[in-house]
Amino acid sequence: GQNIDQPTEMTATEGAIVQINCTYQTSGFNGLFWYQQHAGEAPTFLSYNVLDGLEEKGRFSSFLSRSKGYSYLLLKELQMKDSASYLCAVRVIYNQGGKLIFGQGTELSVKP
Amino acid sequence: EPEVTQTPSHQVTQMGQEVILRCVPISNHLYFYWYRQILGQKVEFLVSFYNNEISEKSEIFDDQFSVERPDGSNFTLKIRSTKLEDSAMYFCASSSGTGVNNSPLHFGNGTRLTVT
Repeated sequence: GQNIDQPTEMTATEGAIVQINCTYQTSGFNGLFWYQQHAGEAPTFLSYNVLDGLEEKGRFSSFLSRSKGYSYLLLKELQMKDSASYLCAVRVIYNQGGKLIFGQGTELSVKP
Repeated sequence: EPEVTQTPSHQVTQMGQEVILRCVPISNHLYFYWYRQILGQKVEFLVSFYNNEISEKSEIFDDQFSVERPDGSNFTLKIRSTKLEDSAMYFCASSSGTGVNNSPLHFGNGTRLTVT
């Protein structure tokens, strides 16, 4: 089966760095994606990894270890607007579909 | 930047009625998806569509659901006889590639469906 785990909620301080972890068990793995979702809005793509290692995109970085079934999203220089849910999602290849399977999401609160 | 558009943004319907949710994917994308998110829960996969046919569907996507790409731009989700538990936000998404041509899914702003 498919299983994705991430913490339910985290709190961090404006200007700080926060790391959101995600572990997964899946078959047909074709990449690990991170999305941001504000309440009532659509998921917005942040970063993805297909191969092991670190991908950096401005204030956001994502890391993947396929052998460990582990990824993290690193957010630097936190801003109040970063308060949102962060979704870890695994892409699975099946019959040309390439669906994403989402975790429950980590609700991040950034405090002054 | 091109985006996925969905209409309507809100839909209220009575139990047993049919609804059609509409989506216009990004124009050069080939892979299309519907997801739903019940309030307070995770984003759940419903169906994927490629080359004018369903490539995969979840257990949620039973006989009351259907998808169609009636022309070169629209992608629709029909729910034939709505139930109270169909109340959710429905997201359409599209992607330009998968596998070796992996690219992210881009989501529309969603249709909030309320079944009364």
